[in-house]
Amino acid sequence: GAVVSQHPSWVICKSGTSVKIECRSLDFQATTMFWYRQFPKQSLMLMATSNEGSKATYEQGVEKDKFLINHASLTLSTLTVTSAHPEDSSFYICSDTKQGWEQYFGPGTRLTVT
Amino acid sequence: QKEVEQNSGPLSVPEGAIASLNCTYSDRGSQSFFWYRQYSGKSPELIMSIYSNGDKEDGRFTAQLNKASQYVSLLIRDSQPSDSATYLCAVMGSGNTPLVFGKGTRLSVIA
Repeated sequence: GAVVSQHPSWVICKSGTSVKIECRSLDFQATTMFWYRQFPKQSLMLMATSNEGSKATYEQGVEKDKFLINHASLTLSTLTVTSAHPEDSSFYICSDTKQGWEQYFGPGTRLTVT
Repeated sequence: QKEVEQNSGPLSVPEGAIASLNCTYSDRGSQSFFWYRQYSGKSPELIMSIYSNGDKEDGRFTAQLNKASQYVSLLIRDSQPSDSATYLCAVMGSGNTPLVFGKGTRLSVIA
């Protein structure tokens, strides 16, 4: 399957600060990547679809000004959580698509906001 | 609203038995179906994909799809304790659209 990396794997930040999470497609060029969030003991929640060279498409209820997504190259998408608060603490996972069908997930980034 | 339903479990099976995981979906236009395995604290790992009616086998895993009944299942033969995880059913419409996930079924294989 496809290889996706994320950095950092975990991060602790103070309330009010911003955190950037990187998602890289290592073995092919991904024009589309997806960002998910998962709270403990819950399923994955799609946050946004990241499109290379254009604006991201956000799911209903996800604040685009708070969760900034940039997909500047075919292999890199970034998610910036701005002015993070404790309720933003979660497991953030990106995925890319191979041949437009199968989605492969990165290892995830665990964010803790204190 | 596109929905994917799974029994949350936990489903407990003895080691060596067959584990059967089920999933139903609401969007009749769905074209691609996937099973992911997620260990606690880890991200989901794709284990099976199926696109047409019938069975697809890969090692100890068999995915079954019935589009008329809007039903997809995953069978795990000779279950091992290492198979203990949450199994997520995911469904995609056409093209490069986001997956819709079920809430997952927690499987526990008892040694």
